[in-house]
Amino acid sequence: SQQGEEDPQALSIQEGENATMNCSYKTSINNLQWYRQNSGRGLVHLILIRSNEREKHSGRLRVTLDTSKKSSSLLITASRAADTASYFCATDVLYMGSGGGADGLTFGKGTHLIIQP
Amino acid sequence: NAGVTQTPKFRVLKTGQSMTLLCAQDMNHEYMYWYRQDPGMGLRLIHYSVGEGTTAKGEVPDGYNVSRLKKQNFLLGLESAAPSQTSVYFCASSYGAGPYEQYFGPGTRLTVT
Repeated sequence: SQQGEEDPQALSIQEGENATMNCSYKTSINNLQWYRQNSGRGLVHLILIRSNEREKHSGRLRVTLDTSKKSSSLLITASRAADTASYFCATDVLYMGSGGGADGLTFGKGTHLIIQP
Repeated sequence: NAGVTQTPKFRVLKTGQSMTLLCAQDMNHEYMYWYRQDPGMGLRLIHYSVGEGTTAKGEVPDGYNVSRLKKQNFLLGLESAAPSQTSVYFCASSYGAGPYEQYFGPGTRLTVT
């Protein structure tokens, strides 16, 4: 079952505005990552935030993490047309396979962001 | 560096046919993963590997087999394709487990009729 759930499912804003999308998850995590997927392409890693961090910045991206509420938010400032994409949060999950456990990622369904020129 | 590559990019199969998807990475990563993505869904992990010669099941392993004979390659096999396996398949690799980003390939769009 999917751990993370993004909100909203879709978001349309004007170029230059800020875009905020949220992610909620169910169980305790060690870290949370955000990925971007352009239409028909593979996912690209944006940012990772550890469970002991509350906020992290990378260029126009700002990620917050509230472990007490089991939620994270991704803020994209001064949006551009090129930011049009789907954004996924991913949380670590322990898969118990042969040879021991291994951390993997479980992804939410994503927020589809459209930047109107 | 090419990063993560996948072969083929598109494939159409008839029910019951078999095929193998190839994933290759040139980053010397230990961990490799196969995901499937269905419309309006996030990615779901099929199988993964923590090193050459090892494989393990993920969230949705039924109907698929994998092999990791070489560190740089991770193969995903469908022995008897079913329409429910129509999906986009992504391969990914990472340096290790935990706080490491995953690098994704461009995907293989598979249709089973």
